[in-house]
Amino acid sequence: GENVEQHPSTLSVQEGDSAVIKCTYSDSASNYFPWYKQELGKRPQLIIDIRSNVGEKKDQRIAVTLNKTAKHFSLHITETQPEDSAVYFCAASKDASKLTFGTGTRLQVTL
Amino acid sequence: GAVVSQHPSRVICKSGTSVKIECRSLDFQATTMFWYRQFPKQSLMLMATSNEGSKATYEQGVEKDKFLINHASLTLSTLTVTSAHPEDSSFYICSARSGLVEKTQYFGPGTRLLVL
Repeated sequence: GENVEQHPSTLSVQEGDSAVIKCTYSDSASNYFPWYKQELGKRPQLIIDIRSNVGEKKDQRIAVTLNKTAKHFSLHITETQPEDSAVYFCAASKDASKLTFGTGTRLQVTL
Repeated sequence: GAVVSQHPSRVICKSGTSVKIECRSLDFQATTMFWYRQFPKQSLMLMATSNEGSKATYEQGVEKDKFLINHASLTLSTLTVTSAHPEDSSFYICSARSGLVEKTQYFGPGTRLLVL
């Protein structure tokens, strides 16, 4: 089955700096890669996703890149703000099947 | 759009009792719903996938007789934790997907279960 690894497990950045979270996946057939943000005790919220037919997608301060050859994808957050502090999960799936989640990255944005 | 609700949000029960958790898609029809379990500071672990009108597919290691899943309608799936024990205490989250080819999953707010 699919295996998703995520790094780093914790990340602390100063407000205004950029944050990068990286994930690798094992199943070359995976073609859908969402990123979720989860605040303490809350539901995971989809923040951006990318499909395997594109290499990059951007939505305001958030961007995701995908390297199919290397089987890795990354989340980039620019101009970080305190409200970006949360746990971020990457995930991968093949077609419309189940998602396999990474282990999560705890992002802390300090003033 | 794409709102998923879950009830109850929090439940405390005695060991040996059963607990039912409901997951509803409020503004779309969910052909597929997923049930996850999340321990503190850990990732989401898929327990089972339920398709409307058919039996749930359980992940390896998940006891189907202990975690009963029913997906009787396109807007409701239920998870029943039978004969709950303290080790079943966890955060249970459902998610829903609107179609067989749709990939995006929308998550419910979760249910925190504490078994005494």
